[in-house]
Amino acid sequence: AQSVTQPDIHITVSEGASLELRCNYSYGATPYLFWYVQSPGQGLQLLLKYFSGDTLVQGIKGFEAEFKRSQSSFNLRKPSVHWSDAAEYFCAVGDRSSNTGKLIFGQGTTLQVKP
Amino acid sequence: EPEVTQTPSHQVTQMGQEVILRCVPISNHLYFYWYRQILGQKVEFLVSFYNNEISEKSEIFDDQFSVERPDGSNFTLKIRSTKLEDSAMYFCASGAERGRGETQYFGPGTRLLVL
Repeated sequence: AQSVTQPDIHITVSEGASLELRCNYSYGATPYLFWYVQSPGQGLQLLLKYFSGDTLVQGIKGFEAEFKRSQSSFNLRKPSVHWSDAAEYFCAVGDRSSNTGKLIFGQGTTLQVKP
Repeated sequence: EPEVTQTPSHQVTQMGQEVILRCVPISNHLYFYWYRQILGQKVEFLVSFYNNEISEKSEIFDDQFSVERPDGSNFTLKIRSTKLEDSAMYFCASGAERGRGETQYFGPGTRLLVL
């Protein structure tokens, strides 16, 4: 069965520091991969997605993610974190064999930004 | 920018009562989803809906749950007889295209508490 693992439940970084949030997936083929962010009281907002092609994907708010097939990973990065990036981040997998677009989510990583 | 809306934002109910959670998807979208997140756990897929019928549902989505699109704009999730374990955040999502890497747009969620 497909699964998504986000090993870090909680991460704290200083403002201006770089960030990497980890995501590993288990899937028989190349999945669709997504990163969503949830700020308090808000819905899940799509940061970026990988469908095919270039394995380095650029997203909104200065985020990027790299798909590494050999490591079954899709880690999210940002070179310089802003206080407004404090939120919960979810990695998700979409099933290519599904006609319904069902997403399977990781547990989420809560990002805290220190001034 | 169009967005998915959900009402109510919070609902408290007694065990055994029926609840209806409401969602207004983005207007030109055709694919609709419900997910839920029990506190401290992953976001889980419940059901997908297209062309006025369920296209996929998870094991969680048992006979106590139902969905409908009564009037072409609202998309509802009904829980007939709530249980304590139904307490969760419920997210509605919609998409313009079916599966295969499409973006799902999420609402802010309804937090349901069953007492």
